[in-house]
Amino acid sequence: GAGVSQSPSNKVTEKGKDVELRCDPISGHTALYWYRQSLGQGLEFLIYFQGNSAPDKSGLPSDRFSAERTGGSVSTLTIQRTQQEDSAVYLCASSRDSGDTQYFGPGTRLTVL
Amino acid sequence: GENVEQHPSTLSVQEGDSAVIKCTYSDSASNYFPWYKQELGKGPQLIIDIRSNVGEKKDQRIAVTLNKTAKHFSLHITETQPEDSAVYFCAATSFSNTGNQFYFGTGTSLTVIP
Repeated sequence: GAGVSQSPSNKVTEKGKDVELRCDPISGHTALYWYRQSLGQGLEFLIYFQGNSAPDKSGLPSDRFSAERTGGSVSTLTIQRTQQEDSAVYLCASSRDSGDTQYFGPGTRLTVL
Repeated sequence: GENVEQHPSTLSVQEGDSAVIKCTYSDSASNYFPWYKQELGKGPQLIIDIRSNVGEKKDQRIAVTLNKTAKHFSLHITETQPEDSAVYFCAATSFSNTGNQFYFGTGTSLTVIP
């Protein structure tokens, strides 16, 4: 079966531009997570969606970051007015239910020039 | 909230030797502890996990042990091979009002020297 997919795989943008990153979770998974991984660093939690509940946005680093999950499936992470420090790999993961095994996508490598 | 610490940050072993990576956690409510392997340019992949009602779990050359009293768990890789070279992350779940979040360690970069 298909795993978690993310697009684009790579994104290069100029400082100040907005970017949208997409995540397609495994079909039927109710929980979806976004993480940020800077070069050589660990996983920084950003936001978590569980079913129809209000998302846990406690990890978002600033109000330039937002995310949506439409129809309980696809999710989009939006970064407005990108800064150079936003450069990182953005990873999406989904799980069957909260607390279950998380399956990760390949990530989107964002470079802000 | 939960705090997961992982050691060492880097580890080099000779092919065929064993590798051990250790993690500690702070929240006694945590009950699920997965380990992920991340190869260069890829997302993390689950390699083994353990729940708090079990003290040890083994899958071929990989094993994980859990000490709930001391709040630490370890990954053991025996007979290491060059393809085991990767970054390994531990994680722990901790309950919150909106569900379970995963808290990850900072990773261990394992190099297996042929």
